[in-house]
Amino acid sequence: ETGVTQSPTHLIKTRGQQVTLRCSSQSGHNTVSWYQQALGQGPQFIFQYYREEENGRGNFPPRFSGLQFPNYSSELNVNALELDDSALYLCASSLGGRDYNEQFFGPGTRLTVL
Amino acid sequence: AQSVTQLGSHVSVSEGALVLLRCNYSSSVPPYLFWYVQYPNQGLQLLLKYTSAATLVKGINGFEAEFKKSETSFHLTKPSAHMSDAAEYFCAVSDRQAGTALIFGKGTTLSVSS
Repeated sequence: ETGVTQSPTHLIKTRGQQVTLRCSSQSGHNTVSWYQQALGQGPQFIFQYYREEENGRGNFPPRFSGLQFPNYSSELNVNALELDDSALYLCASSLGGRDYNEQFFGPGTRLTVL
Repeated sequence: AQSVTQLGSHVSVSEGALVLLRCNYSSSVPPYLFWYVQYPNQGLQLLLKYTSAATLVKGINGFEAEFKKSETSFHLTKPSAHMSDAAEYFCAVSDRQAGTALIFGKGTTLSVSS
């Protein structure tokens, strides 16, 4: 069974650019959630996708957007990058529709905005 | 809105000593509760979860946590610390509805000295 994978591992961008991060969910999982973890902080929920539809969103601006594909992999897109977007971006997959929300995390993508 | 408070951003213990990491939640209805561990430059690994079965929950690596509704607490303990336990620990909460976000505390860094 393959776990959650994310690419790339590290990324450096400049302010104003756009970035796309990718996530492959664990086999059999149909739900993907994205979190932003700033240095020294706990992860903060960005949004969640369930069967290709957005299924909840945290307090992040519209320049943070996402997609989920038929194979349940997902992308996080961030437009007009700001310095404060520098963080570890974590993807988590789970099996939606269950009675509890156990999420399995990938290793993350470290984004640095200069 | 739900929230999680982790008391103590940094806890230091000696090898073999008791580990106690504190977590309090705020919710009008008992939520699901989780403890995750994060090693440097890695994603999050689930240690244990409370989903309204037994109030004393046993997890991996000898950790356990007790759900106390009257105190709205879910403290993490381990009888005897090992050097390999040094990591960042996060308490998280989600409400009792499949597909909702995890709300994380700010984390507690555990240091273990020999």
